[in-house]
Amino acid sequence: DAGVTQSPTHLIKTRGQQVTLRCSPISGHKSVSWYQQVLGQGPQFIFQYYEKEERGRGNFPDRFSARQFPNYSSELNVNALLLGDSALYLCASSPWYPEAFFGQGTRLTVV
Amino acid sequence: DAKTTQPPSMDCAEGRAANLPCNHSTISGNEYVYWYRQIHSQGPQYIIHGLKNNETNEMASLIITEDRKSSTLILPHATLRDTAVYYCIVRVQGSGNTGKLIFGQGTTLQVKP
Repeated sequence: DAGVTQSPTHLIKTRGQQVTLRCSPISGHKSVSWYQQVLGQGPQFIFQYYEKEERGRGNFPDRFSARQFPNYSSELNVNALLLGDSALYLCASSPWYPEAFFGQGTRLTVV
Repeated sequence: DAKTTQPPSMDCAEGRAANLPCNHSTISGNEYVYWYRQIHSQGPQYIIHGLKNNETNEMASLIITEDRKSSTLILPHATLRDTAVYYCIVRVQGSGNTGKLIFGQGTTLQVKP
C-alpha cells in the first residue's frame, strides 16, 4: 500500500512568490494535517482538515491557507513568501485517531 | 495545552535497552501520551501511545507512572537504525477533535556500536 505522498520533494522559491504544496493521504484516510518543521526544531502544526472541512488551525499568518478535495488529497498554499518560511513541510494522514502517518515532506527553500 | 519535557540527547549501546524519559506534569485526565520518532530527513514515525496503562507493541514499550506525570519509552534491544530524534507528545483535543500534535524539541538518541 502506498503511504502518504507529497510533491514536490524539493522546491526553491524567491521572496514574495507564492507556493503550492500537495499531499495525497493513505487510501481510506479522511483526515489530513500539515506541519512546518524549521531546521533543528520539532514540527509545528499548521492545519487539519477532515472530510474537506477545516478542523484546526495553528498559530500561522493568513498567508498560509489550505484545502482538501473530495478525494481527500490536500494542498497547502503560502503567499508572499518570506525567508523564514524556508522549512520542511510535512503532511500527515489519519483515519481519525489514534496515530498519524507522515509523508517524507517537501523541502522549501526561499531565497 | 500540556507540555512535555525531554532530555535533549542520550546515548545507548547497540543491543542494550534504551530508556527515554518524558515529563508531562500538566497532563489532563483525557489526554494520551504519544511517542513518535524522526530519522534524519524523513517524516515522523508513530511508535506507540497510551492513556494510563503500560503498553507494548512490536517496536517498543511505554511505561506511564500512576500519577501520569511522566512516562518512559523503552526500546528493548536498540540497533543502529534506532538512531533518531524521539518525540514525546500529549495529544491535544480541541473543539471538534482537531487532534493536533504538539512536538517539542525531542530527545536525540544515538545508538553506538
